[in-house]
Formats: sequence, structure tokens, C-alpha cells
Amino acid sequence: GQQVMQIPQYQHVQEGEDFTTYCNSSTTLSNIQWYKQRPGGHPVFLIQLVKSGEVKKQKRLTFQFGEAKKNSSLHITATQTTDVGTYFCAGTNAGNMLTFGGGTRLMVKP
Amino acid sequence: DGGITQSPKYLFRKEGQNVTLSCEQNLNHDAMYWYRQDPGQGLRLIYYSQIVNDFQKGDIAEGYSVSREKKESFPLTVTSAQKNPTAFYLCASSPLAGGAYEQYFGPGTRLTVT
Repeated sequence: GQQVMQIPQYQHVQEGEDFTTYCNSSTTLSNIQWYKQRPGGHPVFLIQLVKSGEVKKQKRLTFQFGEAKKNSSLHITATQTTDVGTYFCAGTNAGNMLTFGGGTRLMVKP
Repeated sequence: DGGITQSPKYLFRKEGQNVTLSCEQNLNHDAMYWYRQDPGQGLRLIYYSQIVNDFQKGDIAEGYSVSREKKESFPLTVTSAQKNPTAFYLCASSPLAGGAYEQYFGPGTRLTVT
């Protein structure tokens, strides 16, 4: 079945440093979504990418969808302590349910 | 105030007992989902429902059962057949079923079975 892998599993950064998490699928995706889960909380939707090569920005967050629609990345510029949490990607094959990656847990040292 | 509620937040049970987790939504969404999250891991789909009186197995349905008698409600029963029931359970909903739609998550129920 469809598998979605995320790396790294954990990342410690100093406040102000940049952070990137990568998402790779074993199959071509029709779309990819990103969610953030704060410690002790529940996942909250951030964004959806649909087009090959698509790039979207939300303030300090930049999301990319690969040309082959099999990978994606989330880049945070100049991390802040409020960015702490686990970031999940979730991809869909046409007509199927979302398959979540294992997540990248981001820890920020002030 | 629209959203998804799950109760209770924490639940403790003895091994061998069935337990039912509640999930209610007032978003008027057709689709509802149950996920399991283990420490340091992603979300795995247990069951989903596209519409009232319909539900489908997800990737890890063994040892679980669900019902969808009302649009607003999608309770999950963790049966004694589930070998490792201790986990964080998340309920979600979306306007329609399928991965093209944003999912809204409830606050979750942390189940501990000893």
C-alpha cells in the first residue's frame, strides 16, 4: 500500500535557525496536506498542495510539492519557540484516504 | 462554537474490558474518521465513515468497532480483542470523505489499559 515517509524524526534547533522537514511517498500523490500538532494537542491543518512543483508560503513557512508529486517539504525560516511541535505530512492517492507520515518533532532552544 | 468534541480526555481500563470512546461534531460534516497515535509515531487510520449508516475499515481495524447512527456522532469501541489498546485516539471530520478535504481533529482521548 501507499507509504509516506518523513525525515528527520526529530530536530533540535536554536531559536532563529532555519528548519526543514521532508516527506517522501512511494507512489504519486494527487495532493499533500501538512498539519501541526503542538505538544499535548491535536493536529491542526496548515495547508494543501495540489499542483506539480507548487510552492506556497505562510509567513515564515514555505511549502513545496515536488515536480513528480512524490515528495514535499516544509521549511521554516528563523524558528521561534512558538514553532515547537510535530509537523505531519499526509498524502492522497486519487480516491483514497489520507496517509500520514510519521511526523517530524521540532524542538526550539531559546 | 463549531467543532469536534471527544470524551473523556483520559480513560483507564482493565485488560479484557471493552471501552467506548465518544466523538461528536457540529460542523455538519458528512465524513468522520478515527485514528490511533502511538508515542513518537504518525496517525494510523482505524475506521472511517462517509455518510450515516456507512463505515469502512482503515489500515488497523482489527479489535475495533464503530457505528454511525447519527451524522453528528461516530463512537469507537475498543474491544478486548485489540492486543495493544493503550494509545492516543483522535477523531476527525471533513466535509466529504477523501484526502482532498481538510480534516478537523478533536482534542483526543488518551486510553490506558492495564
